[in-house]
Amino acid sequence: DIQMTQSPSSVSASVGDRVTITCRASQGLGRWLAWYQQKPGKAPKLLIYAVSNLQSGVPSRFSGSGSGTDFTLTISSLQPEDFAIYYCQQVSSFPYTFGQGTILDIK
Amino acid sequence: QVQLQESGPGLVKPSETLSLTCTVSGASIKSYYWTWIRQPPGKGLELIGYIFDNRSPSYNPSLRSRVTISIDTSKNQFSLKMTSVTAADTAVYYCAREGSETAVSLDYWGQGTLVTVSS
Repeated sequence: DIQMTQSPSSVSASVGDRVTITCRASQGLGRWLAWYQQKPGKAPKLLIYAVSNLQSGVPSRFSGSGSGTDFTLTISSLQPEDFAIYYCQQVSSFPYTFGQGTILDIK
Repeated sequence: QVQLQESGPGLVKPSETLSLTCTVSGASIKSYYWTWIRQPPGKGLELIGYIFDNRSPSYNPSLRSRVTISIDTSKNQFSLKMTSVTAADTAVYYCAREGSETAVSLDYWGQGTLVTVSS
């Protein structure tokens, strides 16, 4: 299985801050990487697919980049509703695996 | 509007079989890949497997020996059975859809259902 490692595991930030979360894969993924946001008690929500494509309805302050084994999710200006847990997922090789999650909380 | 809804017992005894159904509305179940994912309390996400129409399902090798995913196109439903459950199978179970234009990523999810394995 492809191992997905996110960093940091948690980050504290303030409204208006720029935040970057990193996801590293144990082998190359091409463009087969997605990012999800999960709020307490809710199902994950797709934010970005194929590394950098914004899912319909997702605000443009979210962006994704990267290639090969290293990928990033950036939130350009944090809003109160962005405090959540973020997961990356590789969909390059079955079984598709998730990172362990990054908790984004309010400083 | 696409909606998915999980249903099934919230409590299962150890060594018994967990059975869940996902009812899909707003989309044809014959046109997409459908997935089961689980999340133990306070932990991360694990893909269980997926199915497309009447093709053979694909299962996570870590669970393959205990899992069956099936589909009922007449009811627009797909189902999960997991045998010989233990406390380690206690989790929120989600059903989800692979989007046709989202590069295999999961664009619609059910709300999730907590299944507790306990005697």
